[in-house]
Amino acid sequence: TQLLEQSPQFLSIQEGENLTVYCNSSSVFSSLQWYRQEPGEGPVLLVTVVTGGEVKKLKRLTFQFGDARKDSSLHITAAQPGDTGLYLCAGQTGANNLFFGTGTRLTVIP
Amino acid sequence: KAGVTQTPRYLIKTRGQQVTLSCSPISGHRSVSWYQQTPGQGLQFLFEYFSETQRNKGNFPGRFSGRQFSNSRSEMNVSTLELGDSALYLCASSSSGWKGEQYFGPGTRLTVT
Repeated sequence: TQLLEQSPQFLSIQEGENLTVYCNSSSVFSSLQWYRQEPGEGPVLLVTVVTGGEVKKLKRLTFQFGDARKDSSLHITAAQPGDTGLYLCAGQTGANNLFFGTGTRLTVIP
Repeated sequence: KAGVTQTPRYLIKTRGQQVTLSCSPISGHRSVSWYQQTPGQGLQFLFEYFSETQRNKGNFPGRFSGRQFSNSRSEMNVSTLELGDSALYLCASSSSGWKGEQYFGPGTRLTVT
């Protein structure tokens, strides 16, 4: 059973376009993290959101945690080739559980 | 500050063998977590060690085990390897535990033939 479903699974866009990646679940999370993983490397933490409805911005990246804390989205404005990678969301449930999403593989074409 | 290092980076083993992977966390980090990443199952939590004690464990069989040394370095062992154990094994260190901000190493790519 996959607790966190990400969509789309694959995304290929032109440089300069905008995109949104979704992370959905039927479970409630106490916090949610987003990571980016590049080929041959481990995931790198981008942001942690903890409050329902919270919005965080990191330059061209905007992260939102759903009001009910069951879903999250990542919006990238004016995508660049350097944004290429695997984007993973990870949600914490209860005291000791952390589940990673299925991942979205983004390719930005110059 | 040096990042998380994992050795070896690549490994090829035969079914039935055992393997030991090593992880050196960021200096000062006492929590080390291990993950298995496969195309089909994604990234799955194996276990976390904190101050030489296993603090949390994921849903993996007993063939997967680990330990942590007094200098926070950690090893993961997989016994009686199966083809399905082929994966990228990632180690992450944290100063606050596996639910906090984690720093991942580059991983060890294990292939079981």
